[in-house]
Amino acid sequence: DAGVTQSPTHLIKTRGQQVTLRCSPKSGHDTVSWYQQALGQGPQFIFQYYEEEERQRGNFPDRFSGHQFPNYSSELNVNALLLGDSALYLCASSTGTGNPYEQYFGPGTRLTVT
Amino acid sequence: RKEVEQDPGPFNVPEGATVAFNCTYSNSASQSFFWYRQDCRKEPKLLMSVYSSGNEDGRFTAQLNRASQYISLLIRDSKLSDSATYLCVVSLEAGGSYIPTFGRGTSLIVHP
Repeated sequence: DAGVTQSPTHLIKTRGQQVTLRCSPKSGHDTVSWYQQALGQGPQFIFQYYEEEERQRGNFPDRFSGHQFPNYSSELNVNALLLGDSALYLCASSTGTGNPYEQYFGPGTRLTVT
Repeated sequence: RKEVEQDPGPFNVPEGATVAFNCTYSNSASQSFFWYRQDCRKEPKLLMSVYSSGNEDGRFTAQLNRASQYISLLIRDSKLSDSATYLCVVSLEAGGSYIPTFGRGTSLIVHP
């Protein structure tokens, strides 16, 4: 049973660049959420996708956008990168009909912005 | 006041000890409460949900106190492998919908 997978595992970008992170949900899951986790902090909710639409969004600027594909995989795009965007980006999957807080996280993508 | 607050610790306890963590939340209308565990440089893993009636899973007990707006996690007979950061997550209202809001986590170190 494949769990949540994310790519790449690490990424280094410079300020002003754009980045795309990818996520494949756990088998049987159709809902994908993205989180940003800074060092020493808890994950902060960015947004959630269900049925290829953004269902919920946290307090993040429009520079953060996403997409969900028909196979339920998802992408997180961040434009005009800032130094403060350096963090671990986590993807979590769940079932749309179950409790969305019962999530399974992927190993994350560590983004460093220089 | 932060919306979801946890004492960052670390809580340093010997093997076999009982330890409890609390997590306070700001919105009395919150409906969903969970505990996650996160090992160093790893992803969070779901530990258990928190129901109004309490929830027990082996050595772990989770409780909800709606009147005082906090949830708790009790670990009995601590093992070395329990060393980790414990994160609570609460549904909080934002812009008309409820979004999952994590605390910063409580670090637990169990020593021999």
